[in-house]
Amino acid sequence: SQTIHQWPATLVQPVGSPLSLECTVEGTSNPNLYWYRQAAGRGLQLLFYSVGIGQISSEVPQNLSASRPQDRQFILSSKKLLLSDSGFYLCAWAGGTDTQYFGPGTRLTVL
Amino acid sequence: DQQVKQNSPSLSVQEGRISILNCDYTNSMFDYFLWYKKYPAEGPTFLISISSIKDKNEDGRFTVFLNKSAKHLSLHIVPSQPGDSAVYFCAASASAGAQKLVFGQGTRLTINP
Repeated sequence: SQTIHQWPATLVQPVGSPLSLECTVEGTSNPNLYWYRQAAGRGLQLLFYSVGIGQISSEVPQNLSASRPQDRQFILSSKKLLLSDSGFYLCAWAGGTDTQYFGPGTRLTVL
Repeated sequence: DQQVKQNSPSLSVQEGRISILNCDYTNSMFDYFLWYKKYPAEGPTFLISISSIKDKNEDGRFTVFLNKSAKHLSLHIVPSQPGDSAVYFCAASASAGAQKLVFGQGTRLTINP
């Protein structure tokens, strides 16, 4: 069966520090991969998606970037965090067309 | 521009009664719709979906209704149970299934004993 992992589960970072969140998927190959953010009291906002290694589409201009160095690995990064980057970050994968499957999420607090 | 809207931020329902969650969309190209359930500090889990060629899909206690002319869908949960208390998101896609989803803001459902 397929499994999606995200780490860390929680993270507290100072403003201006770098960020690296990692997502890996097991049990499937060539998945579509997604990064979402849920800000406090808001819905899910699609940040990036990838249909293959090295292929990244950005949905919202921002302080973040994404990379896909391996088929089942998706990384969300920032060189300098802003207060507004705080939120709940979710990674998701899709293997077919029926649904997307979400990871457990990372709670990021920027102070 | 919010293409998928859930206008009720919260809903409170008595245990055993029916819960009805609503969702409206503006993009007529959307042809596939999903509902997700989310507990605090967890990722959303898929509940049920419907294609635009149907107007109803049922799975156990969950039924989704689609009214294409009104650009409206709803999720019915009956009977409601305490474990149903969560945030519910509707999502829509215009790209051959769930490959690229647009989510609503979510509705917090509370089931009261």
